[in-house]
Amino acid sequence: GENVEQHPSTLSVQEGDSAVIKCTYSDSASNYFPWYKQELGKGPQLIIDIRSNVGEKKDQRIAVTLNKTAKHFSLHITETQPEDSAVYFCAASRGGGTYKYIFGTGTRLKVLA
Amino acid sequence: EAGVVQSPRYKIIEKKQPVAFWCNPISGHNTLYWYLQNLGQGPELLIRYENEEAVDDSQLPKDRFSAERLKGVDSTLKIQPAELGDSAVYLCASSPGLVDTQYFGPGTRLTVL
Repeated sequence: GENVEQHPSTLSVQEGDSAVIKCTYSDSASNYFPWYKQELGKGPQLIIDIRSNVGEKKDQRIAVTLNKTAKHFSLHITETQPEDSAVYFCAASRGGGTYKYIFGTGTRLKVLA
Repeated sequence: EAGVVQSPRYKIIEKKQPVAFWCNPISGHNTLYWYLQNLGQGPELLIRYENEEAVDDSQLPKDRFSAERLKGVDSTLKIQPAELGDSAVYLCASSPGLVDTQYFGPGTRLTVL
């Protein structure tokens, strides 16, 4: 079946360093890839997304890259801050507005001050 | 703009008891999703509604779970009877329907004793 693998499961970085989280998807028909940040006791919040016709997208300190051939995509956070500490989930979808998301298992990011 | 509202935020019940969760999506969002999130895992889709119609309930354990969205706005997810293994966070999300992004509520944390 469809699945999304996410690595690493935990990641600790020093404040100011960069963090990279990688995901690999199995459904070659996937064309929409959102990233969510989930803080303790809260629901997932969208932080960035990318579509299959784009290779890279940036939003301030956050960027996402997509390699459709290899079926993997990555989240890059630069100049990390303590408030970036959270669990990050990637997801893959066939898009179209109503197709379900397949989520990765999450990465717990800790930014050490 | 108000986000997705869920209640209650926390619920503790004994096994075999019934429980219900309520969700009010973002105004104007026709598509509503219920997800199950186990500890340390990504969300998994239980059911998706397009207006008042359940269009994907393949992952909903129908022997004990039920859901409704009678007027195509707010929705209720019910478990009867609850089992120990149902302890998890139940997330509701909504989307405008023609775009891909799903917006999540804060979730209901269920503990079954």
